[in-house]
Amino acid sequence: QQQVKQSPQSLIVQKGGISIINCAYENTAFDYFPWYQQFPGKGPALLIAIRPDVSEKKEGRFTISFNKSAKQFSLHIMDSQPGDSATYFCAAGFTGTASKLTFGTGTRLQVTL
Amino acid sequence: KAGVTQTPRYLIKTRGQQVTLSCSPISGHRSVSWYQQTPGQGLQFLFEYFSETQRNKGNFPGRFSGRQFSNSRSEMNVSTLELGDSALYLCASSLSLGQGTYGYTFGSGTRLTVV
Repeated sequence: QQQVKQSPQSLIVQKGGISIINCAYENTAFDYFPWYQQFPGKGPALLIAIRPDVSEKKEGRFTISFNKSAKQFSLHIMDSQPGDSATYFCAAGFTGTASKLTFGTGTRLQVTL
Repeated sequence: KAGVTQTPRYLIKTRGQQVTLSCSPISGHRSVSWYQQTPGQGLQFLFEYFSETQRNKGNFPGRFSGRQFSNSRSEMNVSTLELGDSALYLCASSLSLGQGTYGYTFGSGTRLTVV
C-alpha cells in the first residue's frame, strides 16, 4: 500500500516539446506529493510539490496535475530544454510528523536539439 | 547558505568491514533522514533522526544504524558489509519532522562500493 508507481522509465523529447511523467499511488493517507530532479553525481533536488487539496500547481515551465479520485499525479514540463535532461522522481509522503518519502522508480528524460 | 554536506564522497570497502558515513545538515535544520539509492531498488528510506532520537525507520537489517548529535549532525554506520550494500547513500535535512512547507534538501551523497 506504500508503493508509488512511475512511468515511463525513460523519455526522449525534442527541444520545445512537452515532457509528461505520470505517477500513481495507493495509500490515500499521503498528503504531500513532490517531484525531484536529479543530475548525475548530485542528490535529488526538490522541483515542485503539491498537496491533495488542489488539482494543479504551476511553477514556471513545470506543472503538477493531481487527480485525487484516480490517485494519480503527473509532471508536465513545458518548452522542454536540453538543460532539463535529468532523472525525475515522483514521491509521496506526509506533512505531519513523519518525513519519510516513498519514491517512484524514476524517469530518465533526454531533451534533444 | 551552505547546503547539506556529506563526507566522504566516495568510499571503497571490503566485504565484512564496517563503514561510517557523515552528514552535516543545513544550519538550523533539525531533522536528518537517510536514503539508499541503487539502480535496482531506487531510493529507499533508511531512517530519520530528530533531536538526537530516531523517529522513523525503514525496512533495512540491523546492520544499518545511525545517530544524531546535539548539533544535528548525523552519522550512519553499516557493519559487516555485503556486496549488495554498494549504493549511493543520501542524506536529507529539513527544518522539522514532516515535509512541512519546504520539504527536504538532499546532499550529493556518498558513493559506497563494496568489493
